[in-house]
Amino acid sequence: DAGVTQSPTHLIKTRGQQVTLRCSPKSGHDTVSWYQQALGQGPQFIFQYYEEEERQRGNFPDRFSGHQFPNYSSELNVNALLLGDSALYLCASSWERAGSGNTIYFGEGSWLTVV
Amino acid sequence: QKEVEQNSGPLSVPEGAIASLNCTYSDRGSQSFFWYRQYSGKSPELIMFIYSNGDKEDGRFTAQLNKASQYVSLLIRDSQPSDSATYLCAVIGSSGYSTLTFGKGTMLLVSP
Repeated sequence: DAGVTQSPTHLIKTRGQQVTLRCSPKSGHDTVSWYQQALGQGPQFIFQYYEEEERQRGNFPDRFSGHQFPNYSSELNVNALLLGDSALYLCASSWERAGSGNTIYFGEGSWLTVV
Repeated sequence: QKEVEQNSGPLSVPEGAIASLNCTYSDRGSQSFFWYRQYSGKSPELIMFIYSNGDKEDGRFTAQLNKASQYVSLLIRDSQPSDSATYLCAVIGSSGYSTLTFGKGTMLLVSP
């Protein structure tokens, strides 16, 4: 049973560039959420996708956008990169119908460095 | 602003002791509560979740939830050096969607 998979694991970008991160949820899961974790901080919620729609969004600018595909996989896009976007980007998956018994698993993350 | 608070630590305990990690949350309608372990440079690993008042045990780990006090804790019995990590408390709020609000984490150091 494959867990949550993310790619790439590490990448370096220049200020002003654009980046796309990818995520495949755990088998049987249909909901994908993205989080940003800066050094020394807890993960911060960016947005959540369910049924190919952005269902909920955290306090992040429009430079952050995403997409969910029919197979439930997802992409996170960040435009006009800033130095402050350097962080670990985490994808989490869950099953919508699990209700209060929902278990939420994270992928290994994508380390983004903006120089 | 819905918040989750944890002591940043580090919490230092000797090997074999019980480690007690605490977390408070501000959203009284919060529904589910999670503990994740995160080793340096790695992603969070789910340890336990709890959604009913009381205790939930899984091996050496016990999660305790008190919704009236808006308090959740994690006890680690017979602590091992391999338990040394940052422990993140996370909460699903009143929206009901599976979005987590995290605390900043408590660093646990278990000395041999």
